[in-house]
Amino acid sequence: NAGVTQTPKFQVLKTGQSMTLQCAQDMNHEYMSWYRQDPGMGLRLIHYSVGAGITDQGEVPNGYNVSRSTTEDFPLRLLSAAPSQTSVYFCASRLTVDLYNEQFFGPGTRLTVL
Amino acid sequence: GNSVTQMEGPVTLSEEAFLTINCTYTATGYPSLFWYVQYPGEGLQLLLKATKADDKGSNKGFEATYRKETTSFHLEKGSVQVSDSAVYFCALSDRSDMRFGAGTRLTVKP
Repeated sequence: NAGVTQTPKFQVLKTGQSMTLQCAQDMNHEYMSWYRQDPGMGLRLIHYSVGAGITDQGEVPNGYNVSRSTTEDFPLRLLSAAPSQTSVYFCASRLTVDLYNEQFFGPGTRLTVL
Repeated sequence: GNSVTQMEGPVTLSEEAFLTINCTYTATGYPSLFWYVQYPGEGLQLLLKATKADDKGSNKGFEATYRKETTSFHLEKGSVQVSDSAVYFCALSDRSDMRFGAGTRLTVKP
């Protein structure tokens, strides 16, 4: 199993550009989520999905869109990039939303918005 | 809402020293508690977990006990190694999401 994969690893955007961060998992996990990691703030939840066709907002959803058309894929779209979105983005998955299940994380995407 | 507060770093220790990283939480209901570790340039990896009060999670010499009365889940290791240098995150999980602390950077010097 490849686990959770993310592309790209690094990205530089100009203010106002849009882009999609890709995330895929091959563990047949129902639950997938996106976090951003900023210095001194830990990880903050952007959006999550409890299954194909179902998504919901986390703590910091503004400026981001998600969709979940398949169990495997959970892309994150930046609609109009802003410097405040400079961060490291992690995709994660877990078997179900059950609170006992650990989350598995991808390697991250480092995004810089100029 | 749910939240996690953990000891601010950075923490610098000499090899073979005792490690404690404090973590307290606020939650409604009965969450599961986790410690994750992040090595440079990598994603987070599960270190240990506990799913109910008084449970002790342990792995690689690290351990933490789920204390409901003090709402704490402190991470301890008796003798740290240089290879333990990383950022450590405390987290809690309920049915909707997982909340993380700010992270504590540990550096272990030979």
